[in-house]
Amino acid sequence: DSGVTQTPKHLITATGQRVTLRCSPRSGDLSVYWYQQSLDQGLQFLIQYYNGEERAKGNILERFSAQQFPDLHSELNLSSLELGDSALYFCASSVVASSGELFFGEGSRLTVL
Amino acid sequence: AQSVTQPDIHITVSEGASLELRCNYSYGATPYLFWYVQSPGQGLQLLLKYFSGDTLVQGIKGFEAEFKRSQSSFNLRKPSVHWSDAAEYFCAVGAKAGDDKIIFGKGTRLHILP
Repeated sequence: DSGVTQTPKHLITATGQRVTLRCSPRSGDLSVYWYQQSLDQGLQFLIQYYNGEERAKGNILERFSAQQFPDLHSELNLSSLELGDSALYFCASSVVASSGELFFGEGSRLTVL
Repeated sequence: AQSVTQPDIHITVSEGASLELRCNYSYGATPYLFWYVQSPGQGLQLLLKYFSGDTLVQGIKGFEAEFKRSQSSFNLRKPSVHWSDAAEYFCAVGAKAGDDKIIFGKGTRLHILP
């Protein structure tokens, strides 16, 4: 158990819909990272937050947004969903802001029909 | 920006045989380097990391990796694999300054023959 909690574990929805994925980092970790894992693209970095502020941005679509709240939990919002958004979404947390060891949650599997 | 290449998508070895998984990175300075393992249905777990110092690093589960700056490589090794090592292995690179992204390779799936 990494200490990182992600909900929901599985989510099935339709194209055009909006979903929210939630992540609670390990106790004491200030950094939260979001990754998308798909068969063709591998593990793609989406975005990182540190202590409530956006720290780094990767290949995150404009239809996607994220935030980190004062209690340090984070949410990833995916809107206008397309079939290609079906993937496993991982949250990871780290103590430090910069390239520390990442602790991963078990992921949220999103299926868009 | 940094990038990572894992040239082998699948590797099959016999139980008890030695293992080497390849990783090449691209980054303008000395990077942070990591190997993670992902078992089916699980998140990723850190096996080992290189930040600085000794270029041969030891990790959990009997794994080690060697940083070779001249070859921009960070290959993962294990002298004798066990059936429980069957999983997907990811090499990752992070930046020491500025950009805080940690970028992962596409992974190598390890199959173990009994």
